[in-house]
Amino acid sequence: EDQVTQSPEALRLQEGESSSLNCSYTVSGLRGLFWYRQDPGKGPEFLFTLYSAGEEKEKERLKATLTKKESFLHITAPKPEDSATYLCAVQAQGGSEKLVFGKGTKLTVNP
Amino acid sequence: SQTIHQWPATLVQPVGSPLSLECTVEGTSNPNLYWYRQAAGRGLQLLFYSVGIGQISSEVPQNLSASRPQDRQFILSSKKLLLSDSGFYLCAWSDNRREQYFGPGTRLTVT
Repeated sequence: EDQVTQSPEALRLQEGESSSLNCSYTVSGLRGLFWYRQDPGKGPEFLFTLYSAGEEKEKERLKATLTKKESFLHITAPKPEDSATYLCAVQAQGGSEKLVFGKGTKLTVNP
Repeated sequence: SQTIHQWPATLVQPVGSPLSLECTVEGTSNPNLYWYRQAAGRGLQLLFYSVGIGQISSEVPQNLSASRPQDRQFILSSKKLLLSDSGFYLCAWSDNRREQYFGPGTRLTVT
């Protein structure tokens, strides 16, 4: 069964303090790994798709990387507005539409 | 650009009452459509997905059902709600079977 585990569950940073969020996955053939940002009471906002090991993508202060077993979301010099829950999901090969999500990492950036 | 709407935004219903949640997408044709539920402390769980009008696939057996009466309309229904149906219901769409884009969600509380 496909599984996604995110760590830590919660992370508190000071403004400007860089860190990384982890997403470990088990999937029967990876079709894609997805990162989303979710603010309280809102739907997830798409950030990145990674397709193969070694791939990296960046957007402002965020950088996502992928290996064969895990993905990292690196946050450089975070600001308070980066506070949110970050969700990781995987999609397996084989034609299924299903995204399997982790429980997320709740990030709080203090000014 | 594409937009996705969900209504109502919040709903409080008694146990045993019926349910109808609606999702519509604008700015795209023949999208894949998805219903997810997000319960407290759990990851997003795929409930149903549809690749076309009248085509519905169910991921989780339960007392919920879905219908797609029009190309860009997706409806989630129940004849009799259970307490365990409470949660945050999210509709999503994709046009390439990869990244999915989520709507604003409906917060359902069953009392």
